[in-house]
Amino acid sequence: EAQVTQNPRYLITVTGKKLTVTCSQNMNHEYMSWYRQDPGLGLRQIYYSMNVEVTDKGDVPEGYKVSRKEKRNFPLILESPSPNQTSLYFCASSSPRLTSGGLNEQFFGPGTRLTVL
Amino acid sequence: AQKVTQAQTEISVVEKEDVTLDCVYETRDTTYYLFWYKQPPSGELVFLIRRNSFDEQNEISGRYSWNFQKSTSSFNFTITASQVVDSAVYFCALSEASFGNEKLTFGTGTRLTIIP
Repeated sequence: EAQVTQNPRYLITVTGKKLTVTCSQNMNHEYMSWYRQDPGLGLRQIYYSMNVEVTDKGDVPEGYKVSRKEKRNFPLILESPSPNQTSLYFCASSSPRLTSGGLNEQFFGPGTRLTVL
Repeated sequence: AQKVTQAQTEISVVEKEDVTLDCVYETRDTTYYLFWYKQPPSGELVFLIRRNSFDEQNEISGRYSWNFQKSTSSFNFTITASQVVDSAVYFCALSEASFGNEKLTFGTGTRLTIIP
């Protein structure tokens, strides 16, 4: 079954304790990205990756890191989490953009609810 | 900078009524793509439609229809004869086609409640 998986699904942690949220897709997609969803703010893109070893900032990258060492995996790293990073996080992937440009439909993971105390 | 505005935060309608969700976008590109996604109460995000800026034809898929108007920078979504299963948060999103910018920008979403 084609899917994007995220782990963990729920996480409660404390300020300053490094954590990693994993994301994996089995569709051989080049494009992967991370979003956070907050009430009243919708979905905001944190980082994205066009392919292995190619990553770039989205609209809210501060406090986050990513890496793309393998095509299927795109972990999100919070080196020193703070309470303002409490949010619902989604990973997504998509097939390459068309030659005319623009992204294809995103396939989203189930989400990770993170609480930072 | 690209931007998407969904001014309607919440909408409630009685079942079987028609409802339109508004989406207004800003972009400096002449080529761009617009999307709608649905997030039901279970929380997953479901793709509904992708439309490129060169195709202004309205699209209909069952009870769903989309009205794309470049003149007003709008890409509105209408549900005809609404059903309780349509209750969800709906997001509009924009992707510009210029290489070097692979961001996807979402609006803040519209929470639609269908009252039985």
